[in-house]
Amino acid sequence: GQQVMQIPQYQHVQEGEDFTTYCNSSTTLSNIQWYKQRPGGHPVFLIQLVKSGEVKKQKRLTFQFGEAKKNSSLHITATQTTDVGTYFCAGQRTSGSRLTFGEGTQLTVNP
Amino acid sequence: DSGVTQTPKHLITATGQRVTLRCSPRSGDLSVYWYQQSLDQGLQFLIQYYNGEERAKGNILERFSAQQFPDLHSELNLSSLELGDSALYFCASSVPPRGSYNEQFFGPGTRLTVL
Repeated sequence: GQQVMQIPQYQHVQEGEDFTTYCNSSTTLSNIQWYKQRPGGHPVFLIQLVKSGEVKKQKRLTFQFGEAKKNSSLHITATQTTDVGTYFCAGQRTSGSRLTFGEGTQLTVNP
Repeated sequence: DSGVTQTPKHLITATGQRVTLRCSPRSGDLSVYWYQQSLDQGLQFLIQYYNGEERAKGNILERFSAQQFPDLHSELNLSSLELGDSALYFCASSVPPRGSYNEQFFGPGTRLTVL
């Protein structure tokens, strides 16, 4: 079945440092979504990438979708304590099908 | 607030028991998804319903079952509970895909503890 792998599992940074998490799918995806889960909270949708090579920005967050539509990354510039949480990527093989989530990257930010 | 509600928030029960978790999707959302999240683990997809019908099945145990009712709320039934079933259970809902755009909205989850 489809697998989505995400690295690293944990990342500790000092406030102000950059952070990147990487996501790789075993199969070509229709789209990839990113979610953030704060400690004690529920996953919250951040963004969806659909096109090959797509890059989207949300303030300090930059999301990329690979040319082959099998990998993706999330980069946070100059982390802040509000960025703390677990970031999940989730891939869909076809639009409307089930999401396959990566294991998540747990980000801690030291002030 | 995502608009997805789940009850109860916490559930403590004993091994061998049966529990029912309830989810009400956002108004207008036809799809409901159930996920299991064990401690410090990712989200394991259990099952999806669309407008009352089962659409997709993940790694859902035979001891678990779900349904979606005509008013679109959904219930997840867990029976013969084991210690390893202790986890957070999330429900999510989504609208029908608008083209290829279809994010999921998660509820606050039900934390199940099996003693």
